[in-house]
Amino acid sequence: DTAVSQTPKYLVTQMGNDKSIKCEQNLGHDTMYWYKQDSKKFLKIMFSYNNKELIINETVPNRFSPKSPDKAHLNLHINSLELGDSAVYFCASSQEQGKSWASGANVLTFGAGSRLTVL
Amino acid sequence: KQEVTQIPAALSVPEGENLVLNCSFTDSAIYNLQWFRQDPGKGLTSLLLIQSSQREQTSGRLNASLDKSSGRSTLYIAASQPGDSATYLCAVGGTGGFKTIFGAGTRLFVKA
Repeated sequence: DTAVSQTPKYLVTQMGNDKSIKCEQNLGHDTMYWYKQDSKKFLKIMFSYNNKELIINETVPNRFSPKSPDKAHLNLHINSLELGDSAVYFCASSQEQGKSWASGANVLTFGAGSRLTVL
Repeated sequence: KQEVTQIPAALSVPEGENLVLNCSFTDSAIYNLQWFRQDPGKGLTSLLLIQSSQREQTSGRLNASLDKSSGRSTLYIAASQPGDSATYLCAVGGTGGFKTIFGAGTRLFVKA
């Protein structure tokens, strides 16, 4: 059973198209994230949702719109794709900060990544 | 604004050598620090998590230390093996909420 699963794993599309990446976690975590890893392998946070509420939005262009229908899902929709959007997008989840750290709270668990290539 | 730096950027060692990877951060008001491993083309695997009140954590051949006052963490790998070859990422969790900031990583290559 995959703890954090993302689909699709690979996505190749043309500039200007709209695409979505889906993420689901079965860990019962309260918080989910989207990270972007660029060609230099630098991992940068984009969004964080806690119990379906947006907590962090790191000045990501508004072409990127996350949606959390429930706390187990966090999807990422991207409009009008640009060449610079090519990257690997990672979904992650963690238990809510403030809960007992002895239980492993705030350990980030990552999905396998979705490699987006914009042509 | 928290900044996380990892040194060296790349490291190549012969099998069996003990090695240390370094991570430094600019804001000592952290919630925790986590070390990850990333294999080429794969996701991230959590190795060790150190809470802000802890000084170190150990798992097998790995030992991570945390010195908040100096803004440093080290990951010690004992008796390195070719299977340890990967990129190791340091990630600092902030107290303000749920933002975890990553370093750029250290690419490790262990030669057989």
